[in-house]
Amino acid sequence: ETGVTQTPRHLVMGMTNKKSLKCEQHLGHNAMYWYKQSAKKPLELMFVYSLEERVENNSVPSRFSPECPNSSHLFLHLHTLQPEDSALYLCASSQAGTSGAYEQYFGPGTRLTVT
Amino acid sequence: DAKTTQPNSMESNEEEPVHLPCNHSTISGTDYIHWYRQLPSQGPEYVIHGLTSNVNNRMASLAIAEDRKSSTLILHRATLRDAAVYYCILRAMYSGGGADGLTFGKGTHLIIQP
Repeated sequence: ETGVTQTPRHLVMGMTNKKSLKCEQHLGHNAMYWYKQSAKKPLELMFVYSLEERVENNSVPSRFSPECPNSSHLFLHLHTLQPEDSALYLCASSQAGTSGAYEQYFGPGTRLTVT
Repeated sequence: DAKTTQPNSMESNEEEPVHLPCNHSTISGTDYIHWYRQLPSQGPEYVIHGLTSNVNNRMASLAIAEDRKSSTLILHRATLRDAAVYYCILRAMYSGGGADGLTFGKGTHLIIQP
């Protein structure tokens, strides 16, 4: 596997379900990110992890819970979601450090539908 | 991240050069200029970035104005596979925690005509 992978690619869940999205990067990076892309809206940053510590939480509701057990893996735990949470969820990774100089690499995303 | 302004859409013909403009009049001296693109049904893809000097890579060239208040992404010979939304994003050189998320705008929707 190369680059950034995300599983599952598609997910349909009810509002009372609990599910998790998984992201894995094979690039040797030490910063990881979750973004949300809703229909007709720009991508929105959700969470940033640097060296396995959360350094940014962009006012995301508590029904989204991130977890970064090591520098290669990132999870997004979902519970009691709302239909408006239906979106494409994208994971990205980069080198930490002089952040402006480093590019981010994105996974293909998980298309989430909440029914 | 400082604000950028891009045209909503542009159209070009296949095998011709494409110049995608971006204005960033409030850029600070330590902001990098990044370009990403998003093809249909895919995650964003890094294209190129620079600080002060023009940059070239296998995908594109980045021309940065002398006052750094604008930049242009140049695709030298567009193909149908270059049809995508192109985002110009400013990124601070340093951030707390050593990592900083990207702030995406609406970007430029590039249409390539065969």
